[in-house]
Amino acid sequence: QQQVKQSPQSLIVQKGGISIINCAYENTAFDYFPWYQQFPGKGPALLIAIRPDVSEKKEGRFTISFNKSAKQFSLHIMDSQPGDSATYFCAASAAGGTSYGKLTFGQGTILTVHP
Amino acid sequence: DTGVSQDPRHKITKRGQNVTFRCDPISEHNRLYWYRQTLGQGPEFLTYFQNEAQLEKSRLLSDRFSAERPKGSFSTLEIQRTEQGDSAMYLCASSFGQGRRGYTFGSGTRLTVV
Repeated sequence: QQQVKQSPQSLIVQKGGISIINCAYENTAFDYFPWYQQFPGKGPALLIAIRPDVSEKKEGRFTISFNKSAKQFSLHIMDSQPGDSATYFCAASAAGGTSYGKLTFGQGTILTVHP
Repeated sequence: DTGVSQDPRHKITKRGQNVTFRCDPISEHNRLYWYRQTLGQGPEFLTYFQNEAQLEKSRLLSDRFSAERPKGSFSTLEIQRTEQGDSAMYLCASSFGQGRRGYTFGSGTRLTVV
């Protein structure tokens, strides 16, 4: 019930292309879905987050699409740049009780953007 | 205060030794979290504190692991009798309010047990 499944494991795109990473969850108590970017030797850094009352959120080149009925959400990176090459994690947390703020992460996607 | 600080950045220890890691959260953050990240995986929740109270512990946190947050400021994570399976990146994060605001990770402590 706590699992978040992420795909693909790795992704290679050309500069200027669109990168798409998908996640699916099972726990219907999840109500907050952030995406994190992690560079080697660094901790994860928050990119963008969404709540299930909206179907899409855009910040600059990054967009989250959310499908509540399918229990799926995805990250789209438009005009991908070599500097976007990193590992991306989706995550989720549930409202209420002691779980509030506790993040459950996907397995990660290694993105490589070729120049 | 520019972020969450973790010390040391790297630790190599022999199997069976005890190790202790420190985390200094962002000063106004009342919540502090510990996660463990193994190679090629996402971070896994270990435990968290609200002020000085430890509110939840994962089943991943065996009795060889103990965490403290005296006075609700910095936190320490101790691993006793280390095993090779403990080799991982240990990440600390902090946040304020109910738990999601300003959620910030540190750069982690990389533990290698030889």
